[in-house]
Amino acid sequence: DVKVTQSSRYLVKRTGEKVFLECVQDMDHENMFWYRQDPGLGLRLIYFSYDVKMKEKGDIPEGYSVSREKKERFSLILESASTNQTSMYLCASSLERGPPQETQYFGPGTRLLVL
Amino acid sequence: RKEVEQDPGPFNVPEGATVAFNCTYSNSASQSFFWYRQDCRKEPKLLMSVYSSGNEDGRFTAQLNRASQYISLLIRDSKLSDSATYLCVVNPTGTASKLTFGTGTRLQVTL
Repeated sequence: DVKVTQSSRYLVKRTGEKVFLECVQDMDHENMFWYRQDPGLGLRLIYFSYDVKMKEKGDIPEGYSVSREKKERFSLILESASTNQTSMYLCASSLERGPPQETQYFGPGTRLLVL
Repeated sequence: RKEVEQDPGPFNVPEGATVAFNCTYSNSASQSFFWYRQDCRKEPKLLMSVYSSGNEDGRFTAQLNRASQYISLLIRDSKLSDSATYLCVVNPTGTASKLTFGTGTRLQVTL
């Protein structure tokens, strides 16, 4: 079974703090993704990575950065947290590009509250 | 127009009922289609892929209509445990691994 783990289930931070969200997958997947999920807006892609040290912007990258130094680990960084970044953050991984290996497996999510 | 559109529901159905959800997508070049299930306060999980010929997995049947650009999910003999949000998911490019998620349709199965 694919396992995707995220460093925290719940996180409370103050405005302006630097926030690190860690994601680790144990199935040697090439692709990793960070989403945020908000009521009524669904899952929105923040950043993704096809390989170590590679990253590409998703649909809403503003205010975020990422790091992928090792294949199994993909970090999301909020350089200066703001209240509008309060959300559920979901990490996902998939084996390869293109069908049929593109099924994404999700971690349990991190609920971030920025005060 | 949203890339993937779903009726948010909720669909309230009694146990044993048959329920169907539709989802429309805007990019006619889309190649891959999926249904994911998301339980309350949990992560999304793949329910089934949707193939051109349609596919069935137990009580669940998925269909693709490329001409009208929609996919459907049919659940027969609904169980209480089917209560969840069902996400329609599309790969709009067919070459990359980016998936576009609908906002989901909520299903509540009652006694």
